[in-house]
Amino acid sequence: KNQVEQSPQSLIILEGKNCTLQCNYTVSPFSNLRWYKQDTGRGPVSLTIMTFSENTKSNGRYTATLDADTKQSSLHITASQLSDSASYICVVSAKTTGGFKTIFGAGTRLFVKA
Amino acid sequence: NAGVTQTPKFRVLKTGQSMTLLCAQDMNHEYMYWYRQDPGMGLRLIHYSVGEGTTAKGEVPDGYNVSRLKKQNFLLGLESAAPSQTSVYFCASSYTETALFRGYTFGSGTRLTVV
Repeated sequence: KNQVEQSPQSLIILEGKNCTLQCNYTVSPFSNLRWYKQDTGRGPVSLTIMTFSENTKSNGRYTATLDADTKQSSLHITASQLSDSASYICVVSAKTTGGFKTIFGAGTRLFVKA
Repeated sequence: NAGVTQTPKFRVLKTGQSMTLLCAQDMNHEYMYWYRQDPGMGLRLIHYSVGEGTTAKGEVPDGYNVSRLKKQNFLLGLESAAPSQTSVYFCASSYTETALFRGYTFGSGTRLTVV
């Protein structure tokens, strides 16, 4: 069964600290993995997109890693800011005979405190 | 550049009532999608469209209908609302099926409550 599991479900950190969010998936055959940021009351916004051959991709203070062998990805946030408080969603797509199938994780809710 | 615009933003329906959610995009995207987001779950695909005049079922299509008469608009209809359809609905669009370049562009969502 194609699944995307994210951990932790929620996380509280102090402003300025770093954190790492995890994503494990069983989606196959793998096509690409994306991380989205979703602010409260808003739609998700794309942070990074990685294909099979990419191990690391950065977007400012956000760095995503991908290990296609172990089917794991992480999102590292450096020097957190209050504006980083949001849900972070891992999304994995598979290329099937019927087209692309996209599975969304349930997200990690991050709270950054002053 | 407005991106993806959803209307309305909030709605309360009584069981059995009908309504239509409107999604409009100004990016000339071919692909459009309707998702629902429920607490503790990932977004689930309701219906999608690969171009003007086309629609296809997603993961949870029952109780919903869609239409894409114009390329820029994608409508989601609920013919007879049920409490199980209480959710936040998101419309999204993309240039291609893989959306590799920029990913999906999402609207701000419609919070629907069915009582």
